[in-house]
Amino acid sequence: EAGVTQFPSHSVIEKGQTVTLRCDPISGHDNLYWYRRVMGKEIKFLLHFVKESKQDESGMPNNRFLAERTGGTYSTLKVQPAELEDSGVYFCASRHSETEAFFGQGTRLTVV
Amino acid sequence: EDQVTQSPEALRLQEGESSSLNCSYTVSGLRGLFWYRQDPGKGPEFLFTLYSAGEEKEKERLKATLTKKESFLHITAPKPEDSATYLCAVRGGADGLTFGKGTHLIIQP
Repeated sequence: EAGVTQFPSHSVIEKGQTVTLRCDPISGHDNLYWYRRVMGKEIKFLLHFVKESKQDESGMPNNRFLAERTGGTYSTLKVQPAELEDSGVYFCASRHSETEAFFGQGTRLTVV
Repeated sequence: EDQVTQSPEALRLQEGESSSLNCSYTVSGLRGLFWYRQDPGKGPEFLFTLYSAGEEKEKERLKATLTKKESFLHITAPKPEDSATYLCAVRGGADGLTFGKGTHLIIQP
């Protein structure tokens, strides 16, 4: 069974540019989550999808971040325009019902 | 607000030297305490879920225990391949996990 896949694995962009991260969850997992780890800090929750609906987006930092999950399959997280403080590792996770969450390998975003 | 504090931040052990990692938590309505292992450049890898005080789970050299305020990850006779960052997280009222900063464990041969 394929795991959670994220790409790109690394992205370096200039301040003010736009970046889109993609996450392909495990097939059949209705729940999809985005998390972020900023250097030196803990992994923090950003938002939660159930199928194509946003269940909880309380962790989204500001309106420069836009997450979508069209058709309830893969998800994208767009940052527009990117700022220096957006640098970090973005993780996606998926789970089925009340089981544990499985994480992808992460996308390391560097804004210069 | 849910909170998770892990200690120590880093731990260096000799191969075969047993020890314990601590995870203290405050949560409104615990719906699971999770232990993950993370290797450099990779995502967190699931180890255990604990749901109620007194529960214990084991996997190879690892054993996780839970009380109403904290969880311990006991590592018995560790090997170099057990070196990793161990993360503790809780699920409370919200569905997203609240993580601690992790314990960076190094096992020296």
